[in-house]
Amino acid sequence: QSALTQPRSVSGSPGQSVTISCTGTNSDVGGYNYVSWYQQHPGTAPKLMISDVHKRPSGVSDRFSGSKSGDTASLTISGLQADDEADYYCCSYGGGNTPILFGGGTKLTVL
Amino acid sequence: QVQLVQSGAEVKKPGASVRVSCKASGFTGYFIHWIRQAPGQGLEWMGWINPYNGVTNYAQNFQGRVTMTSDTSINTFYMELSRLRPDDTAIYFCARSYSNIDYDYWGRGALVTVSS
Repeated sequence: QSALTQPRSVSGSPGQSVTISCTGTNSDVGGYNYVSWYQQHPGTAPKLMISDVHKRPSGVSDRFSGSKSGDTASLTISGLQADDEADYYCCSYGGGNTPILFGGGTKLTVL
Repeated sequence: QVQLVQSGAEVKKPGASVRVSCKASGFTGYFIHWIRQAPGQGLEWMGWINPYNGVTNYAQNFQGRVTMTSDTSINTFYMELSRLRPDDTAIYFCARSYSNIDYDYWGRGALVTVSS
């Protein structure tokens, strides 16, 4: 199975909103409500931001929200802040021989 | 307090094997997943191990080369990758899964460099 497809980069100004997409197939993103999003700052381990498509773990700002339509999941970050600048990865359950897939990652730049 | 402490950096020659350890503290009984990240690249899921019975599930790309084990007596997990190639150079993370694909705690990663 191929990695999930994400835009390589997105950008926004402080206070604005950005949305990062994650496109898979009906065998992964579209087939299950198991999509997570991770934030990774340089030199650190990823941090869980969204689970089960839209659930925010305790401690994650409500500026982060997740959704899904068909085979595409999305992460929206509202009220952009400088510290949001990071790489973001989607992750989906996919069944099959490789049941867990990551997206290629999206670099968010806060202008 | 929950922690995953990984072993240190390794340098290996092509064809060799490497074993990375991940010592868990502050919890027991959660699946541990291994995920790697090549320099400047994205995340790649390698597999998981069920600590209750040692059952594993490996990504197709690693089947035949990876072995994940656990020592429940010391709450430590291991990932061994054999027949190393230069493109196996990466940071190898262990992560605790609390539900499906939700990793709430991660190790700091272990850099494995494969070079002749």
